[in-house]
Amino acid sequence: NAGVTQTPKFQVLKTGQSMTLQCAQDMNHNSMYWYRQDPGMGLRLIYYSASEGTTDKGEVPNGYNVSRLNKREFSLRLESAAPSQTSVYFCASKGRTDSGANVLTFGAGSRLTVL
Amino acid sequence: AQSVTQLGSHVSVSEGALVLLRCNYSSSVPPYLFWYVQYPNQGLQLLLKYTTGATLVKGINGFEAEFKKSETSFHLTKPSAHMSDAAEYFCAVSVSNSGYSTLTFGKGTMLLVSP
Repeated sequence: NAGVTQTPKFQVLKTGQSMTLQCAQDMNHNSMYWYRQDPGMGLRLIYYSASEGTTDKGEVPNGYNVSRLNKREFSLRLESAAPSQTSVYFCASKGRTDSGANVLTFGAGSRLTVL
Repeated sequence: AQSVTQLGSHVSVSEGALVLLRCNYSSSVPPYLFWYVQYPNQGLQLLLKYTTGATLVKGINGFEAEFKKSETSFHLTKPSAHMSDAAEYFCAVSVSNSGYSTLTFGKGTMLLVSP
């Protein structure tokens, strides 16, 4: 089925370790996004990529880096994980619906715990 | 800058009762407005959207929302709640329809449905 695929679904890290969250979409969308979700905070934008070859900071970019590897893939890297980065991470891509509006399609999420 | 305020982190209704989830937005330009639903341990799914045109928009699962510019509101309603409606609901605003625009989410409202 077409959609947004994130890996891994679950990960436990120790403080200071690094890791990369992978995201791929097969809907030929230009724009891709990384959000984090924390209880009572809603979703906050970390980074986004409006098109292949471009990336921009969102609301909470500190401690993260991203790579738009190609049109399909957008990865999120934590270079030195901190407990404050314990969260659920969602990747999304944006594309036009039949009505012409651009809407986000979300992946299932990656739950990260930093000890 | 754009922002969203959802009144009430939790709303409880009985099965068959009216569902009303409140959302107010702030935007310096005409907004694009969205409601997303998140079921436990899943990603977000689009319920409905307002871009332009008719201010009363209908979505999936019997939900609808009305854009009221004078009140800067986009409240979500459903005439009769089902047990399956229990989930977290997020209101979101965007200031344009382009790929460079980002979505700003509210903090979410958890809908609890009792038998």
